[in-house]
Amino acid sequence: EAGVVQSPRYKIIEKKQPVAFWCNPISGHNTLYWYLQNLGQGPELLIRYENEEAVDDSQLPKDRFSAERLKGVDSTLKIQPAELGDSAVYLCASSSAPRGNEQFFGPGTRLTVL
Amino acid sequence: QKEVEQDPGPLSVPEGAIVSLNCTYSNSAFQYFMWYRQYSRKGPELLMYTYSSGNKEDGRFTAQVDKSSKYISLFIRDSQPSDSATYLCAMGKAAGNKLTFGGGTRVLVKP
Repeated sequence: EAGVVQSPRYKIIEKKQPVAFWCNPISGHNTLYWYLQNLGQGPELLIRYENEEAVDDSQLPKDRFSAERLKGVDSTLKIQPAELGDSAVYLCASSSAPRGNEQFFGPGTRLTVL
Repeated sequence: QKEVEQDPGPLSVPEGAIVSLNCTYSNSAFQYFMWYRQYSRKGPELLMYTYSSGNKEDGRFTAQVDKSSKYISLFIRDSQPSDSATYLCAMGKAAGNKLTFGGGTRVLVKP
């Protein structure tokens, strides 16, 4: 079974530029999560989707971040414009009820903002 | 104060030793407890999952949860150099909800 797929794996951009990350969850997983991981820290949730619906986006900085999950499968996370402090690893995870507590992570996208 | 505290390490042990890791937490609403292993430049990999208090064993790994003390542990027996990684504890309040992670403990197993 294929795991969570993310692309790109690495991205380097200049500040004020836009950037987008893509995630394809494990087949059949209805819940999708985007986490942010800063160096030396644990992941922190940005947004959680149940199928197409964003059910928890309280930690998403909505002035510059946006996300979508069309058709309840793939998801895209966008930053516009990027700031220096956005340099981090962006992780996507998915889970499936009834074992919704077990979240499976992708390899992440490492963003560097110059 | 963070909801979940974890010593960052590094924790260095000789090959074959027992690795002992732990996390403390402050929110009694946490019901689900997990341990993830993360190699450098990789995503977290789920190792152990426990619901409520008790012990769980899987091969060389044993997870313990003591909800009365708000303390969880992971033990790795017969440690191998391939166990060298960062270990993250994570906790959830309800199925499918977000996980709250500790900061991770870096473990080095020396041959």
